[in-house]
Amino acid sequence: DQQVKQNSPSLSVQEGRISILNCDYTNSMFDYFLWYKKYPAEGPTFLISISSIKDKNEDGRFTVFLNKSAKHLSLHIVPSQPGDSAVYFCAASEWTGNTPLVFGKGTRLSVIA
Amino acid sequence: DAGITQSPRHKVTETGTPVTLRCHQTENHRYMYWYRQDPGHGLRLIHYSYGVKDTDKGEVSDGYSVSRSKTEDFLLTLESATSSQTSVYFCAISDQGAGGPVQYFGPGTRLTVL
Repeated sequence: DQQVKQNSPSLSVQEGRISILNCDYTNSMFDYFLWYKKYPAEGPTFLISISSIKDKNEDGRFTVFLNKSAKHLSLHIVPSQPGDSAVYFCAASEWTGNTPLVFGKGTRLSVIA
Repeated sequence: DAGITQSPRHKVTETGTPVTLRCHQTENHRYMYWYRQDPGHGLRLIHYSYGVKDTDKGEVSDGYSVSRSKTEDFLLTLESATSSQTSVYFCAISDQGAGGPVQYFGPGTRLTVL
């Protein structure tokens, strides 16, 4: 049973426009969420996180929104740049300090110049 | 940069042979993790460690064992490699970020089992 779902395997966006990547989760015990970006032949790199006490967190061009009642989060990238082309993973955990993360399957973002 | 290295970076081996992958960290982090990444599956946890000699199983631990005799090293062993263990393996450590704990990943080891 998949606890973290990224239902869009791929997404194409024009450079300069907004990219919206979505993630749903089923485990109501999850209360801490992270987004990672992964380029080919590299390890995932941390982008941004959000805890369940917030509904929004921003860091530069990246904003994560959390809707706890819908068990849904999204990552917005504005404006999108060609260098943002990568696979994006959503991850979730229970806030117990260092609980292992549960990852979604990833969404491949292509930003077209 | 979380000071994580993995070795080897690439390995080709034959079915039935033992394989050990090494994860080394330089910053004295207590928590370390091993994940595998496969197409269509994302990253899945194999084993993790919460201290020297303290380890626990993850989602896909069958066929794998781990050891942590020193804080800086976390070893993943495939006792008898199978073709289903062909994958990219990532090690991670946990550190405190601005908003909470964050896992930082190593560069990965690509393992091919023929």
